[in-house]
Amino acid sequence: QSVLTQSPSASGTPGQRVTISCSGSSSNIGGNTVEWYQQLPGTAPKLLIYSNNQRPSGVPDRFSGSKSGTSASLAISGLQSEDEGDYYCAVWDDGLHGVVFGGGTKLTVL
Amino acid sequence: QVQLQESGPGLVKPAETRSLTCSVSGGSISGYYWNWIRQPPGKGLEWIGHIYYTGTAIYNPSLKSRLTISLDMSKSQLSLKLTSMTAADTAVYYCARSGHIYGANAFDVWGQGTMVTVSS
Repeated sequence: QSVLTQSPSASGTPGQRVTISCSGSSSNIGGNTVEWYQQLPGTAPKLLIYSNNQRPSGVPDRFSGSKSGTSASLAISGLQSEDEGDYYCAVWDDGLHGVVFGGGTKLTVL
Repeated sequence: QVQLQESGPGLVKPAETRSLTCSVSGGSISGYYWNWIRQPPGKGLEWIGHIYYTGTAIYNPSLKSRLTISLDMSKSQLSLKLTSMTAADTAVYYCARSGHIYGANAFDVWGQGTMVTVSS
């Protein structure tokens, strides 16, 4: 059971906007910054969002992140077939004194 | 740019101790955190621990008693040693860098991963 809670699955059609949520607590999301990772089939994860809402260079602005209280969200607009894969939130947990990941959300592009 | 390449034993017998290595090329080890992250087949990601380039390491509490992470600056290599391995340790093991401009816990460079299977 992950410390951070993500819905197991999400889906959308090409061009749509989808949102993936990540729920935590005061010891993790509530007090620290959230990162999001994209893992396409058969590949290593890739940093998508850092510091709650910042995009590393090269990440399209279709991807955006936000945080409110003890929850965070990843939004993907203009959904494309190549966005299909697994998405993970991650954050430092002050109680566990380590990085914790969400269980992951599998995104399907219909 | 910086590239990471993991190498490991592949198949391990239960109760054995094994080490994995991550070779860093194209950049410096100094100034960064170097992490190990694993992913059991069909499951999510688990942070194992990290070591700062100064040698200070932090481990996942659930693995701390069996884990050692070390850094060899002269060889630009990161190592992980895990004792008393069980089937629950079967996973793809990734090394990853953090501590760049994106933050101490943002893993911005990843290796391709190495599969470790624990089975008799």
